[in-house]
Amino acid sequence: GENVGLHLPTLSVQEGDNSIINCAYSNSASDYFIWYKQESGKGPQFIIDIRSNMDKRQGQRVTVLLNKTVKHLSLQIAATQPGDSAVYFCAETISGNTPLVFGKGTRLSVIA
Amino acid sequence: GAVVSQHPSRVICKSGTSVKIECRSLDFQATTMFWYRQFPKQSLMLMATSNEGSKATYEQGVEKDKFLINHASLTLSTLTVTSAHPEDSSFYICSARDQEVSQETQYFGPGTRLLVL
Repeated sequence: GENVGLHLPTLSVQEGDNSIINCAYSNSASDYFIWYKQESGKGPQFIIDIRSNMDKRQGQRVTVLLNKTVKHLSLQIAATQPGDSAVYFCAETISGNTPLVFGKGTRLSVIA
Repeated sequence: GAVVSQHPSRVICKSGTSVKIECRSLDFQATTMFWYRQFPKQSLMLMATSNEGSKATYEQGVEKDKFLINHASLTLSTLTVTSAHPEDSSFYICSARDQEVSQETQYFGPGTRLLVL
């Protein structure tokens, strides 16, 4: 249902600094995780994914860390740029044809 | 990468009318598509899973007679908001899986903003 009054947490970083966005996922049975970036008025854009048999995965300027013990996921963005400003969502699922469940999201604001 | 389109991108309608939103996978076949709803400053909430050639699976609390889903082909799913009311105003986003690539990754459309007056 609608969560009236909720606001997205915001992370403000200086251009060029590294950003770390955190996510607590809900289902201990989830074994596949994705980070999405959503710009205003647009659909989510795939950034990086990780399976539960890994604890770290690197992409171009991004790294995802997975801690299954505490059900925690993080997204690290190196040398943050103004174009990185957006809302970032983590999503989890169980392998197979089950839908993604999205976390609450974090708004990243990059200060030039 | 896989491309998913939605049409229309935005629609304004009068209360009581029905609105149809199309979701298309442009360069792959999608046996499964998903419909999400997003209110301002909130996360995406799954409404239903749309399976080609069969009935959609709705999430708890989502009225199937209110939100009609049809997935008649491997590249097209439609969501019809029937007898729309102002509280149905929201951002509707579809996604699709390219199961030849991954059983889990979902590619999202650009969304449809619905405003019901």
